[in-house]
Amino acid sequence: DQQVKQNSPSLSVQEGRISILNCDYTNSMFDYFLWYKKYPAEGPTFLISISSIKDKNEDGRFTVFLNKSAKHLSLHIVPSQPGDSAVYFCAASGGGATNKLIFGTGTLLAVQP
Amino acid sequence: DTGVSQDPRHKITKRGQNVTFRCDPISEHNRLYWYRQTLGQGPEFLTYFQNEAQLEKSRLLSDRFSAERPKGSFSTLEIQRTEQGDSAMYLCASSLGLVNLQETQYFGPGTRLLVL
Repeated sequence: DQQVKQNSPSLSVQEGRISILNCDYTNSMFDYFLWYKKYPAEGPTFLISISSIKDKNEDGRFTVFLNKSAKHLSLHIVPSQPGDSAVYFCAASGGGATNKLIFGTGTLLAVQP
Repeated sequence: DTGVSQDPRHKITKRGQNVTFRCDPISEHNRLYWYRQTLGQGPEFLTYFQNEAQLEKSRLLSDRFSAERPKGSFSTLEIQRTEQGDSAMYLCASSLGLVNLQETQYFGPGTRLLVL
């Protein structure tokens, strides 16, 4: 039962253009969503998050959009840079006592110079 | 460096041996999490501590796995009688531990385990 899905295993974008990474979820109890970036052989690095009470959060080149009715969120990176090339994971938590994260399977972003 | 640290970064062992990993969370963080990541998958939750209390364990955590956080600071994850299926990246994360508030978890660099 995959509660968080990233249906695009990979994405290739030209430097300077926009990268859009998508994520879908099934559990309506999720109330906090996060994006992490991961390089090979390293742990995930936190990028940006959004609460379910918001529909947009922006931090520099990164913007996350949340559509609760569609149970969909997306990460926009603009402009994309070669250093952004990595695997991006979407994660969700249902709040409460544990706050454990449920991750998607990741999207490999390649930004071409 | 005040981030989450993990030791060792890499471990190669033979099937049937016991291994132990250590995690040092960010100093003021009360919550500590262990996750496991296999190739092509996202990290999967294993267990969670609030201070020294282990409050949740995933069904993924078989009887061969045990985790401790004796003084509410660092944590250890032990795998007994390792199997080849235990080969994975073991990730530790920590968060502040504010009650009923949405929190960001910060991850360590992970320990990559290879069971031969």
